[in-house]
Amino acid sequence: ETGVTQTPRHLVMGMTNKKSLKCEQHLGHNAMYWYKQSAKKPLELMFVYSLEERVENNSVPSRFSPECPNSSHLFLHLHTLQPEDSALYLCASSQESGTRPTEQYFGPGTRLTVT
Amino acid sequence: AQSVTQLGSHVSVSEGALVLLRCNYSSSVPPYLFWYVQYPNQGLQLLLKYTTGATLVKGINGFEAEFKKSETSFHLTKPSAHMSDAAEYFCAVKKGKLIFGQGTELSVKP
Repeated sequence: ETGVTQTPRHLVMGMTNKKSLKCEQHLGHNAMYWYKQSAKKPLELMFVYSLEERVENNSVPSRFSPECPNSSHLFLHLHTLQPEDSALYLCASSQESGTRPTEQYFGPGTRLTVT
Repeated sequence: AQSVTQLGSHVSVSEGALVLLRCNYSSSVPPYLFWYVQYPNQGLQLLLKYTTGATLVKGINGFEAEFKKSETSFHLTKPSAHMSDAAEYFCAVKKGKLIFGQGTELSVKP
């Protein structure tokens, strides 16, 4: 595997279910991100992890719970979601040095549908 | 606050025609600027970036962009469109975190 991978690619869940999205980066990066991409809206940054510590949480509802057990893996745990949470969830990683701006590398996304 | 505006949510060109996708940013200091492309059912892929130095930046797939500080713009161009260029394009500015524009969907007609 190369780059950033995400599983599953598609997920349909009911509002009472609990599921998790998984992201793995094979680039040796030290920062990972979760984004939400809804139709006709800009990408929304949800969470940022740097060196496995959460450094940003953009007022995301508590029904979304991130977990970063190591620098290569990132999870998004989902429970009691709402239909408006249906979207494409993108994971990204980057190598942050603090001095130079670096680009983020994105996974293919998980298409989530909440019924 | 940083913001990014992409003019036109949808642009349609003929194959072989010039592609011009517009991006303006608001920033009190020179920003770091990026263009990403997203093909259907895929994640975002970096096309090019501007950090410092030469204001004309060349990217992958024949795309280039020019940073114009006086106009606070970073428009993306390609001299000749190809059918495979049909995708959604995102401009982004980085000042701390990455802030994306709303995207421009490019259609290419045969």
